[in-house]
Order: sequence, then C-alpha cells, then structure tokens
Amino acid sequence: QQPVQSPQAVILREGEDAVINCSSSKALYSVHWYRQKHGEAPVFLMILLKGGEQKGHEKISASFNEKKQQSSLYLTASQLSYSGTYFCGTAWMDSSYKLIFGSGTRLLVRP
Amino acid sequence: DAGVTQSPTHLIKTRGQHVTLRCSPISGHKSVSWYQQVLGQGPQFIFQYYEKEERGRGNFPDRFSARQFPNYSSELNVNALLLGDSALYLCASSFGEQFFGPGTRLTVL
Repeated sequence: QQPVQSPQAVILREGEDAVINCSSSKALYSVHWYRQKHGEAPVFLMILLKGGEQKGHEKISASFNEKKQQSSLYLTASQLSYSGTYFCGTAWMDSSYKLIFGSGTRLLVRP
Repeated sequence: DAGVTQSPTHLIKTRGQHVTLRCSPISGHKSVSWYQQVLGQGPQFIFQYYEKEERGRGNFPDRFSARQFPNYSSELNVNALLLGDSALYLCASSFGEQFFGPGTRLTVL
C-alpha cells in the first residue's frame, strides 16, 4: 500500500533535468512532496490535490494524474542544493488526514 | 513566524524505559501528526490529533500513545522501549499542507 517511487536514485550534473515519479494503488486525495537532506527533517515542497492544477515554482513543479493515481516531480536546471532524498506522501480518499510515504528517491547533483 | 518545534533534540534510553516527546505546532494550526522515520526509509504515520481528539492511528502497538493539549501542543509517549524504537520521531503541523519539525532522535540501548 506504500506508494512506489521511481527511480530509487539518480545522479545529475548541475543544470540537468530530472523527473521523479510516485504511484499509488489506491485512489488518492492528495500528494505531498518533500526533500530531506542528511540528518535533517523533511522540507515541504508542494501539495497537489485531487482535481487541482499542476503546481510549482520556477524550476520545481509537479503534476497529478488522477486516472493513473500518479504524481511526478519535475526538477529543471538542477542546482547543487537540490541534492537530497525526495519523498512523496500520499493521502487516500478514505483517510485523507494521514500521509503514507514512499521509500524515497536519492538525488545527487554534481558540479 | 516560528515553525514547528520539538523537544528534546536527542535522547538516549535503555530498553524497558519510557519516553515522552513534545511538539508545538505552527501558530494557528490545530492539527498535529506524529511520524517515525527509521534510517533509510520514509516517515511512518503514528497518530494525528485535531482539536485535541485522535483522528487516526497508524499500525503501531499500544505502547505508543499521544495526546494534544488545549494550546494544540502535543506529546508522544512510548512505553517499554525496544531496540527497534530507535528512530527519528517527527511531528508535523498541518493546515492542509503538513510541515515537519526538526525531529527528536531517539536511541534505545
């Protein structure tokens, strides 16, 4: 029941793009994306709600495909500071108050 | 604006002891959730409290309990500690989005 994240790990050169995917086997109410650096707490990036629009900042955006129960996080023109582990937290329709997290995607951006 | 605060930062206990972890949510947030994060894994949901009522509980034994106070701060209690309880315990304050505090790193020896 844990969402499946892919890829498990990715290494980029500074300036390259990446896509991280998150798939759920149950109907989703929302998807929350976080980035966690070693030894620190997860930092909130964005939330996508069922029926909502694609969200994002300049270089980090995300989409929510309700038909496939999938979300994707897009990192464009990556910076060194993007390194860390990215988690998606999914809230199901029948228990929207709790987040079920994937196992994470480790991203390393090299100069 | 102050974010989510948790105390203590680190804690070392021995098997069989009990522990109390504390969390203060962001001002204006009435919901607090607790998560356990073991090294190399994503956070696992333990409890959520909203307006001092338990809204949901994850798949954790009865040794884990929590409560929320009138000022919306919260405590997580763990009794009869096991080695496997060693983890980072995260508190999240929510008003839609969930914002995590810095966590309490618990080591059980």
